[in-house]
Amino acid sequence: DAMVIQNPRYQVTQFGKPVTLSCSQTLNHNVMYWYQQKSSQAPKLLFHYYDKDFNNEADTPDNFQSRRPNTSFCFLDIRSPGLGDAAMYLCATSRGPGLKETQYFGPGTRLLVL
Amino acid sequence: GQNIDQPTEMTATEGAIVQINCTYQTSGFNGLFWYQQHAGEAPTFLSYNVLDGLEEKGRFSSFLSRSKGYSYLLLKELQMKDSASYLCAVGPTSGTYKYIFGTGTRLKVLA
Repeated sequence: DAMVIQNPRYQVTQFGKPVTLSCSQTLNHNVMYWYQQKSSQAPKLLFHYYDKDFNNEADTPDNFQSRRPNTSFCFLDIRSPGLGDAAMYLCATSRGPGLKETQYFGPGTRLLVL
Repeated sequence: GQNIDQPTEMTATEGAIVQINCTYQTSGFNGLFWYQQHAGEAPTFLSYNVLDGLEEKGRFSSFLSRSKGYSYLLLKELQMKDSASYLCAVGPTSGTYKYIFGTGTRLKVLA
């Protein structure tokens, strides 16, 4: 089945220790998104790619970076995780703008910062 | 500005009907999505409305009024497994790829 895969599902890191979360998709979608979601809150968009075009949200901290080496893969790098970065990180894809084009979400990576 | 409002929490009884409302004020509109999200899991797509009226899909229906900036998700014959958060989101308009999410409504279904 075509899908969005995230690894790992759970990640524990230490305060200030860089961490990378990965996302891959077999849907061949043009757009990939990274969201941060904290408990009982809506997903917060960090950035998205349309193909290789990168779009950063204005309020995304510099601590968060992303790479998309090809259509299938996208990475979220947190350079110096703080306690406030503990959250669920969701990767999503979509075909692009158009009527009825939903997003497809991966299962998420839950990040714990010690 | 972009604003989407939903009630924070709702409680209902197994077998009952519940309506979850969503009001939106966005600079553009290209359809409204409803997602279900169980605790600790990713959101999954439930329904989509772009024209006014009711869309029915089994036990779930979604309604849209564009003039009022209003949508609701109707869940019938509630089951315990329907306990989850329900997110409404406005789809990307031309030239953007961003979905605008509401804060979600946490639904508890009681036996």
